Amino acid sequence: QVQLVESGGGVVQPGRSLRLSCAASGFTFSSFGMHWVRQAPGKGLEWVALISYDGSNEFYGDSVRGRFTVSRDNSKNTLYLQMNSLTTDDTALYFCARGSRELDHWGQGTLVTVSS
Amino acid sequence: EIVMTQSPATLSVSLGERATLSCRAGQSVSSNLAWYQQKPGQAPRLLIYGSSARATGIPARFSGGGSGTEFTLTISSLQSEDFAVYYCQQYNSWPLTFGGGTRVEIK
Repeated sequence: QVQLVESGGGVVQPGRSLRLSCAASGFTFSSFGMHWVRQAPGKGLEWVALISYDGSNEFYGDSVRGRFTVSRDNSKNTLYLQMNSLTTDDTALYFCARGSRELDHWGQGTLVTVSS
Repeated sequence: EIVMTQSPATLSVSLGERATLSCRAGQSVSSNLAWYQQKPGQAPRLLIYGSSARATGIPARFSGGGSGTEFTLTISSLQSEDFAVYYCQQYNSWPLTFGGGTRVEIK
């Protein structure tokens, strides 16, 4: 069955960087676009980024464009999110999800806390 | 960016009753709209895509409709496991955007 497992979250100071990973299994990873979506504590869902199945196209939400970079390694079935210049507004549970447009499978998320 | 507005913010419904949730797009998204269910402590789950197509394994009591700027999610007869937060999401244009959610609670 499809499994997505995020890792790499933690507590980080404002202005610093963090890289999240999402390990995929149970499907042909290289055939699917992949997303990052975040959810601040007690808030709704915010779409962060998409990378196409082959990594040739990337799209970003307005609040992270220029600071975050999505990438993938299809040989390792792994999705990444490099987050730079973090602010307290980036504190959230970060989910990875499969899909090109609609998101049909989600991981359980990894928590990122930006605090001094 | 296309703003998605959901109403009501909270819907109180009795078991077995019908629930109708609304989602409005700031501009036309054609039928490029999905609905998700999220229970406390869990990841969201895809319910509906293409405005009206049920995702794999989703019960028939869930139905979606609409196109352009006005969409609805209907749960025909609320079961105990349906009490959750529901989000709409447009995928007609970048960036993808979610609505603020509707919480369905027990009346």
